[in-house]
Amino acid sequence: DVVMTQTPLSLSVTPGQPASISCKSSQSLPHSDGKTYLYWYLQKPGQSPQLLIYEVSNRFSGVPDRFSGSGSGTDFTLKISRVEAEDVGVYYCMQSIQLHSFGQGTKLEIK
Amino acid sequence: EVQLVESGGGLVKPGGSLRLSCAASGFTFTNAWMNWVRQAPGRGLEWVGRIRSKTDGGTTDYAAPVKGRFTILRDDSNNMLYLQLNSLKTEDTALYYCTNLGRDWGQGTLVTVSS
Repeated sequence: DVVMTQTPLSLSVTPGQPASISCKSSQSLPHSDGKTYLYWYLQKPGQSPQLLIYEVSNRFSGVPDRFSGSGSGTDFTLKISRVEAEDVGVYYCMQSIQLHSFGQGTKLEIK
Repeated sequence: EVQLVESGGGLVKPGGSLRLSCAASGFTFTNAWMNWVRQAPGRGLEWVGRIRSKTDGGTTDYAAPVKGRFTILRDDSNNMLYLQLNSLKTEDTALYYCTNLGRDWGQGTLVTVSS
């Protein structure tokens, strides 16, 4: 099984400041087809998850450009360049190289 | 507009069974690989299983904790996805989401396993 480990598990950020979340996988995620199946989701309070980033660094339709994803191999990062109040919630990374598995989640709150 | 609407959740005793349904609309369900994801109260997301499109074989995969107890089915003629839950355990208590793991997620249906 591929285990996804996120850090930190929570962070408190002042609006306008950046935020960064790390996600490490127990196995390398690049597929033989050349793609790396690493995704980022945000679950806002009381809502279903929503897709932010697919295949490491591609923003999904409608996702603000303050969100960016990067990484390779087993180490990945989600960055928010300037946090806004609407960004609060729990962020999850997910791998799809071997079935699917999620990280534990990182709770973002506003200071 | 894409809609995924889950139903069928409820209270069931340990060892019992339940069948969840997901009604899909607004997209070509026949072509979609569909998943179930669950979330225990106050906990994170856990992938449960998936079913491929018929074109891609219609086969299923499951997470280890539910393999052998849960079964995913699809009815493409009615745009329906199902999750049959058998031999339920208290640790199966969760909100169950139907999703393509992309843009589309339902609102979830709550399963509570308790004596």
